[in-house]
Amino acid sequence: AQSVTQPDIHITVSEGASLELRCNYSYGATPYLFWYVQSPGQGLQLLLKYFSGDTLVQGIKGFEAEFKRSQSSFNLRKPSVHWSDAAEYFCAVGDHGGSQGNLIFGKGTKLSVKP
Amino acid sequence: GAGVSQSPRYKVAKRGQDVALRCDPISGHVSLFWYQQALGQGPEFLTYFQNEAQLDKSGLPSDRFFAERPEGSVSTLKIQRTQQEDSAVYLCASSRGDTQYFGPGTRLTVL
Repeated sequence: AQSVTQPDIHITVSEGASLELRCNYSYGATPYLFWYVQSPGQGLQLLLKYFSGDTLVQGIKGFEAEFKRSQSSFNLRKPSVHWSDAAEYFCAVGDHGGSQGNLIFGKGTKLSVKP
Repeated sequence: GAGVSQSPRYKVAKRGQDVALRCDPISGHVSLFWYQQALGQGPEFLTYFQNEAQLDKSGLPSDRFFAERPEGSVSTLKIQRTQQEDSAVYLCASSRGDTQYFGPGTRLTVL
């Protein structure tokens, strides 16, 4: 069955430090992969997506993610975290690019940022 | 342009009441999705429309849940005889290409 695992429930980093949020997936075919961010009381905002091609993808707000097929991973990174990055981050996998099929989400990683 | 909007943003219902949640997708978006997000969890798929056709309702947890999109635009998710386990945030998303755009959600609390 398709699934997404985000091993870290909660991560705290200092402002200015680097960040890596882990995501592992189980999917039978080539996956379409997404990272979304959710601030309190807000909907999900797309950070970046991977469909094919270059395995390192750039997103909004300075985020990037790398698709590693051999490790079934799609980890999210940011070189220098800002206090406004504090939020919950969700990794998701889908097919047909997300438009003709539903997304399967991980349980999320809550990011706290220390001043 | 305007994003996906949902109303009401918050809904409190007594157990056994019926509720209706509304989603206004981005104009021109063919596909519309409903997800349920329980506290501390990721969103879980409920149902999917392409225009007015409901192509997948495999995620609806019981026959108390019903969704419609009669004119291929606005959608309504209806929950009959609400139960406490229905308490969650209900998210709507729309898409025309490869990406789903989410609304702010409706937080349903069943007392």
